[in-house]
Amino acid sequence: EVQLVESGGGLIQPGGSLRLSCAASGFTVSSNYMSWVRQAPGKGLEWVSVIYSGGSTYYADSVKGRFTISRDNSKNTLYLQMNSLRAEDTAVYYCARGSIPAAAGFDYWGQGTLVTVSS
Amino acid sequence: DIQMTQSPSSLSASVGDRVTITCRASQSISSYLNWYQQKPGKAPKLLIYAASSLQSGVPSRFSGSGSGTDFTLTISSLQPEDFATYYCQQSYSTRFTFGPGTKVDIK
Repeated sequence: EVQLVESGGGLIQPGGSLRLSCAASGFTVSSNYMSWVRQAPGKGLEWVSVIYSGGSTYYADSVKGRFTISRDNSKNTLYLQMNSLRAEDTAVYYCARGSIPAAAGFDYWGQGTLVTVSS
Repeated sequence: DIQMTQSPSSLSASVGDRVTITCRASQSISSYLNWYQQKPGKAPKLLIYAASSLQSGVPSRFSGSGSGTDFTLTISSLQPEDFATYYCQQSYSTRFTFGPGTKVDIK
């Protein structure tokens, strides 16, 4: 059974850093493309970042230069390193698995982890 | 980046109604369009991928159509469990984008 479990969220001051983790089971993170998607309170879904099976990474303009997506194949875990956090980064962060064939949507999602950026 | 719009932003409907939601892309995305359903406090759920393919386990009352820039999601007979927010998402570009969502609530 495919499962994604996020962790690492919490309350952080503006300018701070946080690393989110997404532990996967039932499949290998390196065999699918994986993304982070966030949702600010009461708002819609915003795609944040993707890492492809080959290792290529892409980011939304709103986080480029501040966030870094990575994976640890030995731990079968996806990460999101978030630096220089701003109030507008406050959101529930979901990790999502890209379906195969590629570009066929995100077929599994984690439960989400809440990041609150506030002083 | 490819911008996605949806209409309407919200609608009220009754059980048994036929519901249609429209999604438009700012440029052609071929059939690289996916639809999700999200209920409050829950993660999104993939309904339709590649514009018209039904995800495994999704009821057949959901269907999708379109290509290029214009797409629709149709619920043929609305059920109580279908009241939710629906999002389209393009996967044509390596920088994916979602539409703003359409909230379907009870009339």
